[in-house]
Amino acid sequence: AQRVTQPEKLLSVFKGAPVELKCNYSYSGSPELFWYVQYSRQRLQLLLRHISRESIKGFTADLNKGETSFHLKKPFAQEEDSAMYYCALPTGRRALTFGSGTRLQVQP
Amino acid sequence: GAGVSQSPRYKVAKRGQDVALRCDPISGHVSLFWYQQALGQGPEFLTYFQNEAQLDKSGLPSDRFFAERPEGSVSTLKIQRTQQEDSAVYLCASSPSTSGVNEQFFGPGTRLTVL
Repeated sequence: AQRVTQPEKLLSVFKGAPVELKCNYSYSGSPELFWYVQYSRQRLQLLLRHISRESIKGFTADLNKGETSFHLKKPFAQEEDSAMYYCALPTGRRALTFGSGTRLQVQP
Repeated sequence: GAGVSQSPRYKVAKRGQDVALRCDPISGHVSLFWYQQALGQGPEFLTYFQNEAQLDKSGLPSDRFFAERPEGSVSTLKIQRTQQEDSAVYLCASSPSTSGVNEQFFGPGTRLTVL
């Protein structure tokens, strides 16, 4: 069965420090992976998807099939990056399986 | 334009009561999803509609949960005889396409508390 694991519930860094939010998945085949973000008092929204290979708000994520990982990275964290981040994998009829989320806290 | 809206935003129910949660997707979006998000967890899939057809209800936790989308737009998630374990945020999401996996646009959620 498809599964997404985000091992860290909370990641706290100082402004300007590098950030890496971990995501591991189990999936048979070629997965398409997503990162969704939920800022305080806002709704869940797409941050980026691996197929587009783009950088959004300075974040990138590379699919590593050998390690079955899709870690989210940013070289220099900003306070406005503080949010809940969810890694997600499509399953079944286009629904998404989400990880349990990592709260990123960027301190000034 | 307007995003996905959900009502009510908060619902408190006594155990055993029936509740109905409404979702208004983005106009023209063909696909509609319901998710359940327990405290401290990620959203978990409940059911999926393509227009008015419910194509996947594999995530519904029991036969007390029922969803419909009779005219292919607004959807209602009904929970009968609510139990404390039903307490969660219920998220609705819509997507413009049925081909492949596209971005899902989420509503603000309905927070259900069962006492």
